[in-house]
Amino acid sequence: RKEVEQDPGPFNVPEGATVAFNCTYSNSASQSFFWYRQDCRKEPKLLMSVYSSGNEDGRFTAQLNRASQYISLLIRDSKLSDSATYLCGGPNDYKLSFGAGTTVTVRA
Amino acid sequence: ETGVTQTPRHLVMGMTNKKSLKCEQHLGHNAMYWYKQSAKKPLELMFVYNFKEQTENNSVPSRFSPECPNSSHLFLHLHTLQPEDSALYLCASSHPPYVDTQYFGPGTRLTVL
Repeated sequence: RKEVEQDPGPFNVPEGATVAFNCTYSNSASQSFFWYRQDCRKEPKLLMSVYSSGNEDGRFTAQLNRASQYISLLIRDSKLSDSATYLCGGPNDYKLSFGAGTTVTVRA
Repeated sequence: ETGVTQTPRHLVMGMTNKKSLKCEQHLGHNAMYWYKQSAKKPLELMFVYNFKEQTENNSVPSRFSPECPNSSHLFLHLHTLQPEDSALYLCASSHPPYVDTQYFGPGTRLTVL
């Protein structure tokens, strides 16, 4: 089983919609996770960190479900500018493992 | 944002060439990383340096040779690469422990002919 797995999508949503997707992880001891956003041909940029209590930043909400070993990212009131690939990262021993990314396309 | 810089941004090289990628971080971090990102694939961790010491070599072929002269600079020396090595090479840095937030540079897009 891969250390971190994501549904590649794409998730095609209309502007203003809510979109949510998950990232599963295999290391049950992991306690902190990260969501990164990567635009086409650019570097990943940190979107938010996710700890036990989850995290909310404006229209973005991340949750951690330890029992089922996944983290989720929810985007409310989607904007065209939210179109990107979202990578999740989770600790594996002393390094971060990343998923392949979930592509979100917001259409007008 | 210039926290982590990489040069060159684009590189085209032949299989017999030798080139080097450079990364510099201005964030006061002590851990630096090289990743390879190929199309439609997850980020692949290549090397990790912590306080200038290499602590991870993720089964990377010897045609890739890293160098970390100090905590702010990281190099990736390339020689006799193969076309399948064409990818985006990303440098990142963080505070130890490694699981802390990593900040990425803009990457070097490498094409091997």
